[in-house]
Amino acid sequence: KAGVTQTPRYLIKTRGQQVTLSCSPISGHRSVSWYQQTPGQGLQFLFEYFSETQRNKGNFPGRFSGRQFSNSRSEMNVSTLELGDSALYLCASSLAQGAGANVLTFGAGSRLTVL
Amino acid sequence: AQSVTQPDIHITVSEGASLELRCNYSYGATPYLFWYVQSPGQGLQLLLKYFSGDTLVQGIKGFEAEFKRSQSSFNLRKPSVHWSDAAEYFCAVGNNDMRFGAGTRLTVKP
Repeated sequence: KAGVTQTPRYLIKTRGQQVTLSCSPISGHRSVSWYQQTPGQGLQFLFEYFSETQRNKGNFPGRFSGRQFSNSRSEMNVSTLELGDSALYLCASSLAQGAGANVLTFGAGSRLTVL
Repeated sequence: AQSVTQPDIHITVSEGASLELRCNYSYGATPYLFWYVQSPGQGLQLLLKYFSGDTLVQGIKGFEAEFKRSQSSFNLRKPSVHWSDAAEYFCAVGNNDMRFGAGTRLTVKP
């Protein structure tokens, strides 16, 4: 079966712009999590969506937002981009939320460069 | 608060040698523990996981890890490393909001 698909794979933006990243989870997976990966901070949890509801949120400013659609596809948005937002954004899906179920399958990521 | 520490930023081993990557965690309850591997430009691939039961868990690609509650550790091992194992390895703990270690980059010498 198809894995987690993230689009676009690479993008370049300038400071002040906004960006939307898309994630299509594995068929049947209802939970989608987003992570930011940078050389300095490593992998940091952004948020998790389950059944179109944000269930958990990491420690990121309000410029970072997301949503999940009824087909479990998810998007994340970053507004007013800063240079420090340059990162690999990883999406992961899992069957369900909760104990014992949260084995994450990751996509290949979206590489964002902010100039 | 849950956290993960991977003490070794970079490890170099010769092909065919054994490997052990260290992971220490802090978690308030029984932890769910994971090891992931990331090749350059790629996402993370699950190697193995521990939820409960047998403390020695087997994973893909010949990897295994042992959960030691008394030491709060979940070290990853492989008896004989292959050149294709060169990658970055991440230990993770958690449930709904996974916390990852900083990663250990593995270099394999021919």
